This record gives sequence, C-alpha cells and structure tokens, in this order.
Amino acid sequence: DAKTTQPPSMDCAEGRAANLPCNHSTISGNEYVYWYRQIHSQGPQYIIHGLKNNETNEMASLIITEDRKSSTLILPHATLRDTAVYYCIVELSGSRLTFGEGTQLTVNP
Amino acid sequence: DTAVSQTPKYLVTQMGNDKSIKCEQNLGHDTMYWYKQDSKKFLKIMFSYNNKELIINETVPNRFSPKSPDKAHLNLHINSLELGDSAVYFCASSPTGGVHTGELFFGEGSRLTVL
Repeated sequence: DAKTTQPPSMDCAEGRAANLPCNHSTISGNEYVYWYRQIHSQGPQYIIHGLKNNETNEMASLIITEDRKSSTLILPHATLRDTAVYYCIVELSGSRLTFGEGTQLTVNP
Repeated sequence: DTAVSQTPKYLVTQMGNDKSIKCEQNLGHDTMYWYKQDSKKFLKIMFSYNNKELIINETVPNRFSPKSPDKAHLNLHINSLELGDSAVYFCASSPTGGVHTGELFFGEGSRLTVL
C-alpha cells in the first residue's frame, strides 16, 4: 500500500474552511484515497473516499489532483466538534486500513 | 442503539492472565475486524472475518484468537497477556469484505492495560 504524508498539526478558525493536505506520490492506479478522523478517545469515523474524481458528501469534500499524487480534504465550515486527528489512507479495498500519524486539526473559537 | 459495541471498555489485568473482549454489531454487516491502537497512536488491522470465516490475519501472535459465533459477533481472546499487549483494541464492521467497501464502522474501543 502507498505511504501517505500529512502535516502533524493544523489550526483553523471556527466557521472557516479547513483544508487538510495529504501526499501519496507512490499511489497505484487502483488504490483509493480514504479519509477518517478520530476524536479523542473515540473510534475512528469514516469521512469520505475517492479514486480519481473529486467527491463531496455531507461531511466534507475530497479534491484529488489529476496525477493522483496528492489530495486535500476540505471541511467547508469547521466547528469546534471537528477538532480531531484526521487520517489519510491509501489502500486497495478499504478493508485492510493502516492508520499513520495523521494531522491533529484544532478548531479555535 | 450503538451500531458497533464493545465490552468491556476498560480492562486492567496482570501479566500472564487470559482475557476476552467482545464485539457486537447491529448493522447487518457481513465483515468484522479487530484493530489495535498502540501507545504511539498507530492503528493497525489484526483480523478480519467475513460471514464467520477468517479472511485477514496480520501476523498476530497466536496468543490472540478471534472467534466469530455468528456474523454479528466477533470476540477477541488473548492468552498469557504480556506488557506489550497494552493498547486500545477497536472492533469494526463493514457491509462487504475483501472487495472495495469504502466505509468501516468502528466501535468505541476497549482499553487494555497489562500490569
């Protein structure tokens, strides 16, 4: 599975968009990009996933570059409850996930 | 109703003991998983079961034995506990296993402390 690189931490003001980057330069053609988050002391929560096209759901948007070597998770209007560790994972099927260090997003009032 | 529930939430025990963690999902999913989150917060898959059959076993010591009595339950039994087994263990489920699923539903975790 491709390795991902994320900044260890980011800050965002409440109500503003949070843009979380992820590099996955060794991604192969059939690997998906998954995003999960883990709020302190809770189980990971699925956010979104994509293969090539940009994706949007009620939680977030996922922007994948054309060469698929990087992606950005966008939380359009961050709230205090979005403070969490965000994990970008690249994997074939979505079942054998390995979570790296992720990005600690802190949303400030 | 909690979708994926684990018991106990906290477990403190002595080295050498045997303990079990239970997991139940009420989502009607076919596939269940056990993940381990260590002290450095890395979360890795240990096992996966699809319709009561083992499909993923990630080089976990054989002191760890998962058991799936039916597709809604996946229990984790650990023999001869060691200090290094201290971690948070997460159960998860998904609609299908072995092919692209897109979404795993995780439980709240069971924090095991071995003294």
